[in-house]
Amino acid sequence: GQQLNQSPQSMFIQEGEDVSMNCTSSSIFNTWLWYKQDPGEGPVLLIALYKAGELTSNGRLTAQFGITRKDSFLNISASIPSDVGIYFCAGQTNDYKLSFGAGTTVTVRA
Amino acid sequence: SQTIHQWPATLVQPVGSPLSLECTVEGTSNPNLYWYRQAAGRGLQLLFYSVGIGQISSEVPQNLSASRPQDRQFILSSKKLLLSDSGFYLCAWTSGTADNEQFFGPGTRLTVL
Repeated sequence: GQQLNQSPQSMFIQEGEDVSMNCTSSSIFNTWLWYKQDPGEGPVLLIALYKAGELTSNGRLTAQFGITRKDSFLNISASIPSDVGIYFCAGQTNDYKLSFGAGTTVTVRA
Repeated sequence: SQTIHQWPATLVQPVGSPLSLECTVEGTSNPNLYWYRQAAGRGLQLLFYSVGIGQISSEVPQNLSASRPQDRQFILSSKKLLLSDSGFYLCAWTSGTADNEQFFGPGTRLTVL
């Protein structure tokens, strides 16, 4: 699959802070997805984006599908301890497969 | 509602032993099914996917094989495990329609000793 560059690789944040992470690609995607994975569990879908420029929120989470269709970002507002985990971006073209970023590990300091 | 199951949840196997991991989906028909492997602290590597019964596409050459004997059943197998087969194995499904959201199972932690 296509290469996705996800950054940052990891972050330590204070409870209450806002968090931002992003993914970029040299390829165009039709769909961008953001997942969260807790230790020892499968990833859970947070937000799905289908249109260039689309901005979608899910509670304290906000994600955007970049205008060029080659990037996406995820924001978490007012971090809480349960936001700890690994966040993955994923992009899809016209086939049945997703390309995943390497993940952003979030650790919250209480 | 749709649910996805994987078993076993954890498995410890000796090198050279066979492997069979099972994934089943409930509440949907004709899903696309996927097997991923995740090494410790790493991202997700797609191993196999299937768009229908008996249809398997392999993404990377490896020691593993997959089969889909029933519409909502996906099996990952090996005849002889290697140390490098250790990892966290995830099954996922999509509806196969325009909505391409993949939903993951709880995973199987495999340790090969």
